Amino acid sequence: GAVVSQHPSRVICKSGTSVKIECRSLDFQATTMFWYRQFPKQSLMLMATSNEGSKATYEQGVEKDKFLINHASLTLSTLTVTSAHPEDSSFYICSARLAGLLTQYFGPGTRLLVL
Amino acid sequence: GQQLNQSPQSMFIQEGEDVSMNCTSSSIFNTWLWYKQEPGEGPVLLIALYKAGELTSNGRLTAQFGITRKDSFLNISASIPSDVGIYFCAGQKYTGNQFYFGTGTSLTVIP
Repeated sequence: GAVVSQHPSRVICKSGTSVKIECRSLDFQATTMFWYRQFPKQSLMLMATSNEGSKATYEQGVEKDKFLINHASLTLSTLTVTSAHPEDSSFYICSARLAGLLTQYFGPGTRLLVL
Repeated sequence: GQQLNQSPQSMFIQEGEDVSMNCTSSSIFNTWLWYKQEPGEGPVLLIALYKAGELTSNGRLTAQFGITRKDSFLNISASIPSDVGIYFCAGQKYTGNQFYFGTGTSLTVIP
């Protein structure tokens, strides 16, 4: 099946620093990738939709200057949390959609803790 | 963003029992997906539904796309301990590209 990886799986950083999370589709080309955030015991909340070669589309309430998304190739999208603060601590999950299909395949998630 | 309502919120059942959960929305969706998420992991796709009325099985799991296009159901037969996790539905609107996720159903199976 379609495999999506994320790196790193866990990251701890100091407040004010920036953190980059990578999302890769390992065995397929993903024209669209999605970034979600999940707080403990809550559902996944879509942050942004990332299309290869174009600017990401952000959901209402998500600051595009704080959560920088780059989708430079059909197998890689990155999310950079800039000037991270403790309230940004969360589980960040990406998903990738196979070109021409509707289903999404998720990465294993990245646990971010901002001290 | 829009959120789908799942029910029940949590379930505690004996091993071997059947499980039913549903997902409802005030809007029409043209695709429904069901995922399972275990602690500290990303969601894993269980079943995808593309047509109203569609009934699809994956082993002991069966899911249905509601006729009204506003709901979907997931059944698990003869539950086993490894079924433990949180089950999420996800729906895609006809004109949209993104999926909206349900509130989740937490399943605990007691051996």
